[in-house]
Amino acid sequence: RKEVEQDPGPFNVPEGATVAFNCTYSNSASQSFFWYRQDCRKEPKLLMSVYSSGNEDGRFTAQLNRASQYISLLIRDSKLSDSATYLCVVHRDDKIIFGKGTRLHILP
Amino acid sequence: GAGVSQSPSNKVTEKGKDVELRCDPISGHTALYWYRQSLGQGLEFLIYFQGNSAPDKSGLPSDRFSAERTGGSVSTLTIQRTQQEDSAVYLCASSLNWGDQPQHFGDGTRLSIL
Repeated sequence: RKEVEQDPGPFNVPEGATVAFNCTYSNSASQSFFWYRQDCRKEPKLLMSVYSSGNEDGRFTAQLNRASQYISLLIRDSKLSDSATYLCVVHRDDKIIFGKGTRLHILP
Repeated sequence: GAGVSQSPSNKVTEKGKDVELRCDPISGHTALYWYRQSLGQGLEFLIYFQGNSAPDKSGLPSDRFSAERTGGSVSTLTIQRTQQEDSAVYLCASSLNWGDQPQHFGDGTRLSIL
């Protein structure tokens, strides 16, 4: 079992819809969590950090559930420009573990 | 200011040859990270440096892989006796200190082993 797992998708979602992804992690010692976005053939870029209290940045909301060991990303009012692969990232000790990513396609 | 710079951007080499990949981090960033991304795969964390020190080398795929960083700046990732399974995009990132976000990624080196 991978330490960080994500549904690879693709999620095909009409523009304006709300979409949510989950990411599960297996090691309870994981310390901090992030969502990155990666466009096709580009480098990953930080989207947002994830906190237990939940945090919001515009149309994006991230949540951490330590008891169930998952993090989530919610995108409201999706835009065509949201089409990308979303990578879940976990810091643990001296390691940074990226999930394989969830592909999102926003349909016009 | 300049971002993270990696060279070469593309490298094609024959199986069995050695290759050296270079990463020049953002000036002042003490932490430097190497990742590998294979086709259709996520980012595989290889190694990180805090200054010139790499506390944990267990992420390197085999003993053919080595990395060094001198002067707290440029890092090189060396792959000896390359194999076809080494073909991937090798990404370098840097941040102010270990674990700081965001990590700033370079454009990567696309390595192809024939």
